[in-house]
Formats: sequence, C-alpha cells, structure tokens
Amino acid sequence: DIQMSQSPSSLSASVGGRVTITCQASQDITKSLNWYQQKPGKAPQLLIYASSTLEGGVPSRFSGSGSGTDFTLIISGLQPEDIGTYYCQQYDSLPLTFGPGTKVDIK
Amino acid sequence: QVLLQQSGPGLVEPSQILSLTCAISGDSVSANIAAWNWIRQSPSRGLEWLGRTYYRSKWYYSYADSVKGRIAINPDTSRNQFSLQLNSVTPEDTAIYYCVRDSNGFDNWGQGTPVTVSS
Repeated sequence: DIQMSQSPSSLSASVGGRVTITCQASQDITKSLNWYQQKPGKAPQLLIYASSTLEGGVPSRFSGSGSGTDFTLIISGLQPEDIGTYYCQQYDSLPLTFGPGTKVDIK
Repeated sequence: QVLLQQSGPGLVEPSQILSLTCAISGDSVSANIAAWNWIRQSPSRGLEWLGRTYYRSKWYYSYADSVKGRIAINPDTSRNQFSLQLNSVTPEDTAIYYCVRDSNGFDNWGQGTPVTVSS
C-alpha cells in the first residue's frame, strides 16, 4: 500500500496569510494526487485533483503543485471560512489512501 | 447536480451485518465515467477507502485488504443506487460511513452515516 504523510499536523495563521501544507507519498505516484477540505461535522470536499487542477467553484486562492512523491497545497490569503482539516489522497494504485490530515485554524 | 442520499441503521450488534444504501440522483450508477465508493472515517483509522464498483461494459469491483472477505458493494440499476454490506462487524468497524462518487477525484459525498458497533 502507498502510505501518505502530511506536515504539519496542525497550524495557525492570520487572516490574509499564506498557508503551506505538504504531502509526501511513500513511492512515486506521478501526479495522481487530490486535496480535500473537511469542515467540522461535514463530509470532505474536493479542492484540487491531479495535483494542480482546481475543482469547479473552488476559490483561486487555493493552489496545488508537485509530482512524484512530494506535493504542496497553498492557500494564498487565508479566509475565516478556510478553517478545517485538509487531506491529500493518492489514486495511483489500489488501495486508494489518504494522508492523516492537517488542521488549519485562525491565529 | 449530483446528490447522494444514504440510508441504513446507526447501531449494529457485534458479529452482525452492517448494511447501508446510497441513492443517486443527477447521475447513473451505470455511468461510464464514474466509480461508486464507500469510505469510512474514524479517529483511530482516519479516512479509509473500503471499496468501489463501476461499469465499463461490465461491472468491476475492488475492495481494501483490510475488509476483503467481509465486504460487498453492489449496484442496483433498477433503483439507481448502490449498497455496502459488511459482515461480522466488531467495535473496530465503528465509524462514519460515506458513499462517494469518483469522477476526477471524490467529487460528491453522501451526508455520512455514523455507525456504532455495540451490543
């Protein structure tokens, strides 16, 4: 199975600040990586697929990059509605696996 | 707009069968561009993919090794829905269960069903 790790596990940032979350795969997954946001009590929501493609309706302050084993999610200009937990997920091979999550809140 | 509506019990006794159903609106379970998944979430295991089914001229099924042998995911084309059956449950199967469409990522999720395994 491909193991996914994320760092940091949690962070606090100011409104308008820049947030960077990294995700690492245990083996090369090319660009087969998605990012999700989960708000408390809700199902996860797809933000970015194929490493860098923004899902429809997702604000442009979210961006993704990376390939191989190392990936990054950036929030450029954190907004209060962005608080939640962010997960990466690989789809290079079965079983599909998720990272442990990064909890984001406002400083 | 795709909507997934889950139904099923929230309490299951140990060694019994967990059964959930996901009704699809706005898409077809037989669509050639989507796969239909079950994912669960618990504090101890995080987000865990359990399995999927999809139709590409015939039906395909894939399951996680962690539940293989105990799980079945079945489409129901007449009702446009799919189901999860998990046998011989233990307290370790306590989690929130989601049905999820996969089309360029897990782009549509059911509302989630909290399931507790307890006597």
